[in-house]
Amino acid sequence: DVKVTQSSRYLVKRTGEKVFLECVQDMDHENMFWYRQDPGLGLRLIYFSYDVKMKEKGDIPEGYSVSREKKERFSLILESASTNQTSMYLCASSEPSGTGSYEQYFGPGTRLTVT
Amino acid sequence: AQSVAQPEDQVNVAEGNPLTVKCTYSVSGNPYLFWYVQYPNRGLQFLLKYITGDNLVKGSYGFEAEFNKSQTSFHLKKPSALVSDSALYFCAVRDPRGRGSTLGRLYFGRGTQLTVWP
Repeated sequence: DVKVTQSSRYLVKRTGEKVFLECVQDMDHENMFWYRQDPGLGLRLIYFSYDVKMKEKGDIPEGYSVSREKKERFSLILESASTNQTSMYLCASSEPSGTGSYEQYFGPGTRLTVT
Repeated sequence: AQSVAQPEDQVNVAEGNPLTVKCTYSVSGNPYLFWYVQYPNRGLQFLLKYITGDNLVKGSYGFEAEFNKSQTSFHLKKPSALVSDSALYFCAVRDPRGRGSTLGRLYFGRGTQLTVWP
């Protein structure tokens, strides 16, 4: 079974704090993704990575950065947290394109509240 | 541009009745299509996918989906709904003509909340 884990289920931070969200997958997947989920807006892609040290901006990268130093780990960083970043954050991973398996596997999510 | 639309925010159905959750897509060429389910306070779980072949795809928990190219739709169906099917359902599309690093991207709809009442 593919397993994607996220470091925290619930997190409360103060405005201006630097926040790290960690994601680890155990299936040697090349691709990893960070989404945020808000009611009525569905899933929006923040950043993704298709290889170690490689990253691509998604649709809403502003206010976020990422780090992928090891294949199994993909970190999302909020440089200076703001209240409008209160959301559910979902990490996902998938096999490289060309393998015939395109579905993404999701972690349980981190519900972040910024006060 | 690739996109997915789920025209209904909410679907309500009685237990034992058939259910349909609608999805339409906009992708040039032949799309790869997916359905995911999300239970409260959980991540998304993969249900089924259409890549090629038979237009009727069977997935987990008795769900199936029908790919209709002429209507650009990929509706999720189940013959007999259960209360435990109540959840948030997401349709997603992947553009098979994506290039380079974008090959792995999925584009998600906004989700449909399914409620099955006893």
